[in-house]
Amino acid sequence: KNEVEQSPQNLTAQEGEFITINCSYSVGISALHWLQQHPGGGIVSLFMLSSGKKKHGRLIATINIQEKHSSLHITASHPRDSAVYICAVRSMDSNYQLIWGAGTKLIIKP
Amino acid sequence: NAGVTQTPKFQVLKTGQSMTLQCAQDMNHEYMSWYRQDPGMGLRLIHYSVGAGITDQGEVPNGYNVSRSTTEDFPLRLLSAAPSQTSVYFCASSYSLAGSEDTQYFGPGTRLTVL
Repeated sequence: KNEVEQSPQNLTAQEGEFITINCSYSVGISALHWLQQHPGGGIVSLFMLSSGKKKHGRLIATINIQEKHSSLHITASHPRDSAVYICAVRSMDSNYQLIWGAGTKLIIKP
Repeated sequence: NAGVTQTPKFQVLKTGQSMTLQCAQDMNHEYMSWYRQDPGMGLRLIHYSVGAGITDQGEVPNGYNVSRSTTEDFPLRLLSAAPSQTSVYFCASSYSLAGSEDTQYFGPGTRLTVL
């Protein structure tokens, strides 16, 4: 079983829809990261969370430490949000290395 | 700041050839790492460094060497290229592993093909 699981693997939605991407993990963590990989390949950090909720523009990230679960939400989605969204956890069980999810490929249709 | 730079962007090698992928950052980050990304898989850590002169192995270190003689540079050497090393390679850095200083900065990637 992977230590970091993302769902769904693929998501296609219409412009304007509310998007939720989930990340579950099975290890003890000090922080959880959400990153975005553009179609051209570049990877950009979106959020780093250790508790609660963070918001940046139309993106919201939440984490529930007790349930070992995080969600990334996109409000009023737009075609430019089309990308792969990656969850990674800073694992206390693995010498504080980052453990990566496989990513969620999001396509927003106009 | 240029951020994290990687060269080359593309490279084709023949089996058995050696080469060095370059990575540099100008943000005075202590922590640097090399990942490979293969289709359908998450990023996998090859080697990492927590400061100049200190390196350690990640999840998939075989066939790769690193060194960290300065804070800025963290080159990745392929000793004898194999087709299994065909992948996209990313270099990343962060100021530290703690708190808000753990924000990851990635280079643009190197697409390597080994024939």
